[in-house]
Amino acid sequence: DVKVTQSSRYLVKRTGEKVFLECVQDMDHENMFWYRQDPGLGLRLIYFSYDVKMKEKGDIPEGYSVSREKKERFSLILESASTNQTSMYLCASSRPFGGGTDTQYFGPGTRLTVL
Amino acid sequence: AQKVTQAQTEISVVEKEDVTLDCVYETRDTTYYLFWYKQPPSGELVFLIRRNSFDEQNEISGRYSWNFQKSTSSFNFTITASQVVDSAVYFCALSASSNTGKLIFGQGTTLQVKP
Repeated sequence: DVKVTQSSRYLVKRTGEKVFLECVQDMDHENMFWYRQDPGLGLRLIYFSYDVKMKEKGDIPEGYSVSREKKERFSLILESASTNQTSMYLCASSRPFGGGTDTQYFGPGTRLTVL
Repeated sequence: AQKVTQAQTEISVVEKEDVTLDCVYETRDTTYYLFWYKQPPSGELVFLIRRNSFDEQNEISGRYSWNFQKSTSSFNFTITASQVVDSAVYFCALSASSNTGKLIFGQGTTLQVKP
């Protein structure tokens, strides 16, 4: 079974803090993704990576950065957390597009509250 | 542009009723994939099914069935004899060759199954 784990289920931080959200997958997937989920807005892609040290902006990258130093790990960084970044953050991984193996598998999510 | 529309925001049924969740998609790609995910209250998105654009055969898995119709750009999901454990948010999603496999999600349908 594909396993995607995220470092925390719940996190509370203060405005201005630097926040790291970690995601690890154990299926040797090339692609990794970070989404945020908000009521009424669905899931929105923040950043994705299709290889080590590669990254591309998604739909809402402002206020976020990412790091992928190893294939299995993809980190989302909030350089200076703000209250409007309070949200559910979901990580996913997949094979490259096509070929019947590109299903994205998701981690359990991190519910981040910024006070 | 790619788009997924789930017009039903919330559905409430009584246990053992059948229920259909609608999904309509838009894409100009000829190669694309459609997905359904389930998000129970725990928060993790659970993969249910993946269909490619060249396979319009309907799929049945236990109480779950999916109807893919390219003529109407729809990929509907039916739960037969619903159970309380089916209560969740269900997302339909699209990935297409022109979008390098990034998922476009619908807004989700919240299904409540009452005992």
